[in-house]
Amino acid sequence: DAKTTQPPSMDCAEGRAANLPCNHSTISGNEYVYWYRQIHSQGPQYIIHGLKNNETNEMASLIITEDRKSSTLILPHATLRDTAVYYCIVRVAASTGTASKLTFGTGTRLQVTL
Amino acid sequence: GAVVSQHPSWVICKSGTSVKIECRSLDFQATTMFWYRQFPKQSLMLMATSNEGSKATYEQGVEKDKFLINHASLTLSTLTVTSAHPEDSSFYICSARGGAGTPPNREQYFGPGTRLTVT
Repeated sequence: DAKTTQPPSMDCAEGRAANLPCNHSTISGNEYVYWYRQIHSQGPQYIIHGLKNNETNEMASLIITEDRKSSTLILPHATLRDTAVYYCIVRVAASTGTASKLTFGTGTRLQVTL
Repeated sequence: GAVVSQHPSWVICKSGTSVKIECRSLDFQATTMFWYRQFPKQSLMLMATSNEGSKATYEQGVEKDKFLINHASLTLSTLTVTSAHPEDSSFYICSARGGAGTPPNREQYFGPGTRLTVT
């Protein structure tokens, strides 16, 4: 699976949008961008994933650049409960049946403040 | 949907004893289960992958005789830490993945984790 690069930490004021970047310049054509987050002392939580089009769900939006070498996870109105470590992972889609296991990097520690 | 539970949520055991951690998929059949370990301020490290009814595949550096994994049914996997030592103290997290065509369509979902402290 392609390697990803994320900033180690970011701060965001509560109520503002949190934009978390991820670089994945070696991504292959059949690899998706997945985002998970881990709140302190809990298991990781799936957020969103996408191939090349922008995606949105009830938790977040995922913006993938046209060349697919980078992406941004957007939490539109961050709250204190969004404080967590956010992991960007690139891999073949799980539904293909040949998906590799999820391998976690160091992620971005997002601190949402009042 | 796609709920994974772990039991216990935390456990303290004495050095030299064994401890078993259970991982259950509550609303789907998990054809594959994964066990991760996480030390403080570090990322998750995959320990092993198990398919129902088969022997687990361990990652390099993980002792299979120390970390016994059983995946006897489609909803239950267990991790037994044998002869535990203080250096085995960690946060153990399981993850489950369903089969093709069934929810959650092979996506990996995680349990809440088990904190093991060996004294």
